Amino acid sequence: QSALTQPASVSASPGQSITISCTGTSSDVGGYNYVSWYQQHPGKAPKVMIYDVDNRPSGVSNRFSGSKYGNTASLTISGLQAEDEADYYCCSYSSYTSSRTRVFGGGTRVTVL
Amino acid sequence: QVQLVQSGAEVKKPGASVKVSCKASGYTFTSDYMHWVRQAPGQGLEWMGIISPWGAPPTYAQEFQGRVIMTSDTSTSTVYMELSNLRSEDTAVYYCARGSQYMDLWGKGTTVTVSS
Repeated sequence: QSALTQPASVSASPGQSITISCTGTSSDVGGYNYVSWYQQHPGKAPKVMIYDVDNRPSGVSNRFSGSKYGNTASLTISGLQAEDEADYYCCSYSSYTSSRTRVFGGGTRVTVL
Repeated sequence: QVQLVQSGAEVKKPGASVKVSCKASGYTFTSDYMHWVRQAPGQGLEWMGIISPWGAPPTYAQEFQGRVIMTSDTSTSTVYMELSNLRSEDTAVYYCARGSQYMDLWGKGTTVTVSS
């Protein structure tokens, strides 16, 4: 199965908002409300920022929000801060080959100008 | 302290096998699934498979079918990932991560280097 499609990079100035898209198919993103988003700083393990499309784990800033329309999920970061500079990955439950598999997006590098 | 502690870095020759461990602590080991995810140098995350610590059969990504075996030992709260017939493209950081539909707790990663 191919990875979910994300833009390679997004950049914006502090205080601005950005949106990262994650496009899949009806066998993954479009078929289930099991999309999650992960933030990864260099040399560190990923950290979940959004789960089940639009839910935020305890402790994650409310500047992070998620949504989905059809086969495309999105992560929005509002009020961009320097600490948000990182790689972001979406992940979805998938039934493309069999049950209980997951698939990641290719990742998006967020740069705070 | 809720954490996943992974085994140390490995260097292997092509064709060999590697077995990475992930020891859970601070929560009920059998309460949630465990994923294995890898990341090649400079590349993105790649999902490898999921195992139920309580013994249900694991599910592997198609790309690793026939080369990966994931097991669990409830007596030590440890899951294992064994990858065989290693090639240079398997050089990566391997992570274990707790969760079902999403991964809420990650290990620090184990670097596996495949080189002749």
